[in-house]
Amino acid sequence: DTEVTQTPKHLVMGMTNKKSLKCEQHMGHRAMYWYKQKAKKPPELMFVYSYEKLSINESVPSRFSPECPNSSLLNLHLHALQPEDSALYLCASSQDGVYEQYFGPGTRLTVT
Amino acid sequence: GQQLNQSPQSMFIQEGEDVSMNCTSSSIFNTWLWYKQEPGEGPVLLIALYKAGELTSNGRLTAQFGITRKDSFLNISASIPSDVGIYFCAGRGGGSNYKLTFGKGTLLTVNP
Repeated sequence: DTEVTQTPKHLVMGMTNKKSLKCEQHMGHRAMYWYKQKAKKPPELMFVYSYEKLSINESVPSRFSPECPNSSLLNLHLHALQPEDSALYLCASSQDGVYEQYFGPGTRLTVT
Repeated sequence: GQQLNQSPQSMFIQEGEDVSMNCTSSSIFNTWLWYKQEPGEGPVLLIALYKAGELTSNGRLTAQFGITRKDSFLNISASIPSDVGIYFCAGRGGGSNYKLTFGKGTLLTVNP
């Protein structure tokens, strides 16, 4: 089983709202990732968690706040977003930092 | 930083034709990954390559890790309408655990 699940599938939020994106994997992977993807562009790395610790933050604005409650779950907390933050947000996981990454189906976020 | 040149940018083919796309870099990569992404979905891993010269097949798909470690190609044989999507290559360089460099994608359209 190589499934990464993400909820919700779609999210519309205002600029003053607080919302969270959720990601789950049950493959025993120790690395989990958040990516942002704009239409017809490749995914852009935002954060990496390795063994439940934040390993990489690609200079992401503080209105995005990641959290890794346990080795299977990854959250992305959103607050005071801007319309330009509208995108497909992808979660991925891998066995560790050198192996292939498996992506979830994504959350389509629209900021109004 | 590392960059990948993926070509062609787009392809329009007839059902039954074979397809070839490739990625090249001026830097050496230790891992090459090929993904397919359909509209509104996350990238799906097609093939993972870990050794220079490695040739791997997955059904009608064949990919190779270039012997110089600076390129990779993906071939699709006997294309069918469901092959439509954007194909991304991704490479992981030495000393770049967790981080993938993505190509800009090849948009494949298959005419029935």
